Amino acid sequence: EVQLVESGGGLVQPGRSLRLSCAASGFTFDDYAMHWVRQAPGKGLEWVSGISWNSGSIGYADSVKGRFTISRDNAKNSLYLQMNSLRAEDTALYYCAKDTRSMVQGAPDYWGQGTLVTVSS
Amino acid sequence: DIQMTQSPSTLSASVGDRVTITCRASQSISSWLAWYQQKPGKAPKLLIYKASSLESGVPSRFSGSGSGTEFTLTISSLQPDDFATYYCQQYNSYSRLTFGGGTKVEIK
Repeated sequence: EVQLVESGGGLVQPGRSLRLSCAASGFTFDDYAMHWVRQAPGKGLEWVSGISWNSGSIGYADSVKGRFTISRDNAKNSLYLQMNSLRAEDTALYYCAKDTRSMVQGAPDYWGQGTLVTVSS
Repeated sequence: DIQMTQSPSTLSASVGDRVTITCRASQSISSWLAWYQQKPGKAPKLLIYKASSLESGVPSRFSGSGSGTEFTLTISSLQPDDFATYYCQQYNSYSRLTFGGGTKVEIK
């Protein structure tokens, strides 16, 4: 059974940093690209970032480019999101999601339950 | 960037109704489109991929069609479990995905 478990969310002040993690199990992690998708309270889904199976291809939404960094450790079956210079508008539930392909060009088919990030002073 | 526009944003329907949701892309995305269902407090669930392919385990009352810039999700006979928010998502762009704004299907 595919499982994706996010952690690392919490309350953080504007301008500070936070690192999210996603522990994956139930599939061959290094065969697939992975994504972070967020959802602000009461709002729609927003793709944040994606990383290919070997970290060779990475993409970011314009809203986070230059502030967020996605990475993965295939030996640990883990996905990460380093979030710097956080803003109030980054407040959201952050989902980890598995792609159906090895490159960042698919439809995520499995999602975690999300970790909540709240940016507020 | 490719923009995805869904309509309507809210839809009121009754059990048994045929429901259609539209998604338009700002440029051609071939058939690289997926549809998701999301219920309150839950993660999105993949329903349709490649515009018209039904994900395993998804009821056959759900169907997708379209190509290029215009796509539809149809629920042939709305069931109580189908009241939720639906999102389209394009994956034509290399290393960049985009979701539509969502369509909430409410009880009439």
